[in-house]
Formats: sequence, C-alpha cells, structure tokens
Amino acid sequence: EAGVAQSPRYKIIEKRQSVAFWCNPISGHATLYWYQQILGQGPKLLIQFQNNGVVDDSQLPKDRFSAERLKGVDSTLKIQPAKLEDSAVYLCASSRNTAGYTFGSGTRLTVV
Amino acid sequence: TQLLEQSPQFLSIQEGENLTVYCNSSSVFSSLQWYRQEPGEGPVLLVTVVTGGEVKKLKRLTFQFGDARKDSSLHITAAQPGDTGLYLCAGRAPGGSQGNLIFGKGTKLSVKP
Repeated sequence: EAGVAQSPRYKIIEKRQSVAFWCNPISGHATLYWYQQILGQGPKLLIQFQNNGVVDDSQLPKDRFSAERLKGVDSTLKIQPAKLEDSAVYLCASSRNTAGYTFGSGTRLTVV
Repeated sequence: TQLLEQSPQFLSIQEGENLTVYCNSSSVFSSLQWYRQEPGEGPVLLVTVVTGGEVKKLKRLTFQFGDARKDSSLHITAAQPGDTGLYLCAGRAPGGSQGNLIFGKGTKLSVKP
C-alpha cells in the first residue's frame, strides 16, 4: 500500500511570506491529521479532518494558519503570513481507525 | 493539560547493550503508542498498548503499560545500530477524540557499532 505523500520536502521562506503544504493520505483513510514538530519536541496536533469535515482545530493558530480537505482526500495546509517561530517540520498523517497513524515524511519549513 | 515526560532525553550506547526508556504522566491514558522516528522521516508506529499492566514484545523490543495506565516503558535487548532514532510515546486521553493524541518530546537513541 502506498504511504502518505507530502510535498514539498523542504521550503525556505522569508518571514511575512506565505507557504502551502500538500498531503495525499493513504487511499481509504477517512481521517487526516496535520502535526507541527518543532526541533527537539514531539509532534503537536494542528488539525484533524474526518472525510472533509474538521473534527479538531483547537490548536491551530487560525489568525495565520488554514487548512482544507475539499473532496475528503488531499489536504492543503497554508501559513499566511509566516513568522520565525513557524520553522518546524509539518507532518501529515492518516488513519482508517483508532489503531494507529501512518505519517508522511514531512515538510521541513525554515522561516528566515 | 496532560503531559507525557520521556526520559532520558538522550542516550548513547554501544552495540549489544541493553537499555530502557520511560514515558511518564500524572494523567491516565486510555491507550499509549510508541513510535520511532528517523532523521528526515515521519514517526513509524511500533506498538499500541491498551490494558493496564500489558506487556508486548516486538523482536528485541519489550513494551509495558503501567498498571494505572499513567506510564510506559520500552526495553531494548542487545541494541543494534539500526535501533538508532527518536523514540516517541503518545497517549490518548480517555474519552478524547481520535485525534487527541499527545506526544512526549522523545528519547534520542544512538547505538554505536
């Protein structure tokens, strides 16, 4: 089975610029998650989708972060405008049930 | 706020040694998962433990969930260089949504040949 695909792998932007990340989950996985992993820390949930609906976005900084999953498959996470503290690895994961998540390789964002 | 404390933060050992890493919390979790993350990759699920006192083995790795479901340990026997990576524990709060998975900061393990 193909894994969770993410792009790009790396992105360097200047502060106040915008950036978007893309995720294609495993086929048939209804639940999709975006996590932020800052260097030296564990992943932190930003948003969870069930099909194309948002289940949990309580930790998403909504003044600058947005995410969508229009057709219940692919998802896009956007940051506008970016801040220096947004430098992190952004991980997408998907799951079929509560058994466990499959993570993508992540997008490493550097804001300078 | 529920927190998972992992210790030690860093561990560097020689090939063939045994080691144990810990994941502790003051809160109860309905289940707990262990992941291994290699540089430049996402975390990969190793095991899920659900029942207090549960012990699961995965080749040379032994996972234990505390009786009170507040803590867990991972023991590796005869560590090999391929075991090198960041070991993360993640807990799901009772009654929490499927996405309410809280991660610890991880233990960074280095096994030298």
